[in-house]
Amino acid sequence: QVQLQESGPGLVKPPETLSLTCTVSRGSVSGYHWSWIRQPPGKGLEWIGYIYSSGSTNYNPSLKSRVTMSVDTSKSQFSLKLNSVTAADTAMYYCARGGATWNYFLDLWGQGTLVTVSS
Amino acid sequence: DIVMTQSPDSLSVSLGERATINCKSSQSISYSSNNKNYLAWYQQKPGLPPQLLIYWASTRESGVPDRFSGSGSGTDFTLTISGLQAEDVAVYFCQQYYTTPYTFGQGTKLEIK
Repeated sequence: QVQLQESGPGLVKPPETLSLTCTVSRGSVSGYHWSWIRQPPGKGLEWIGYIYSSGSTNYNPSLKSRVTMSVDTSKSQFSLKLNSVTAADTAMYYCARGGATWNYFLDLWGQGTLVTVSS
Repeated sequence: DIVMTQSPDSLSVSLGERATINCKSSQSISYSSNNKNYLAWYQQKPGLPPQLLIYWASTRESGVPDRFSGSGSGTDFTLTISGLQAEDVAVYFCQQYYTTPYTFGQGTKLEIK
């Protein structure tokens, strides 16, 4: 059973960079689109962007200027960097699997990691 | 961006009864070329990540009980839970994957009456 696990610091100071990694267990990153989604406490879901296993990316325009995603197929990992963070970036961050094509549902999610932005 | 609007925001239903959640997109999320609706439904229980229930608007994910069903096309979609059970208490989200940025509805909180 393929599993996803997010990892990274739970506390980030403004205006530093939030860095998270998602590790794919018992599976490969190859051939899929991998998304990051966030959810502020008690609120709804916001799609941050995706990266394909080849390295091509698509970011939400609302965050595009601050987001960088990367993939390491040898480690079955993909990563998110969000720079110049503010308190508004405090959220649960999830990684999720899409499909072979970009316009696909998210069928597998990690457990999420809570990131708090505070000085 | 495509705006996804769910109704109602919250819903209270008796055990064994039917729950209906609606989702409306600000533009069509259907491709006529393949007759597919790019709409998914997710269930999120407290403290847990969202879990895929329905995709292509009406296809149940493997392992999802058949009391969950999805319908609709174009801009109007419905998630129906027939015979509500206690473990169905959750927040339900719809999501369009027709185009980027993917967008979600605001969520519908389902409770037991």
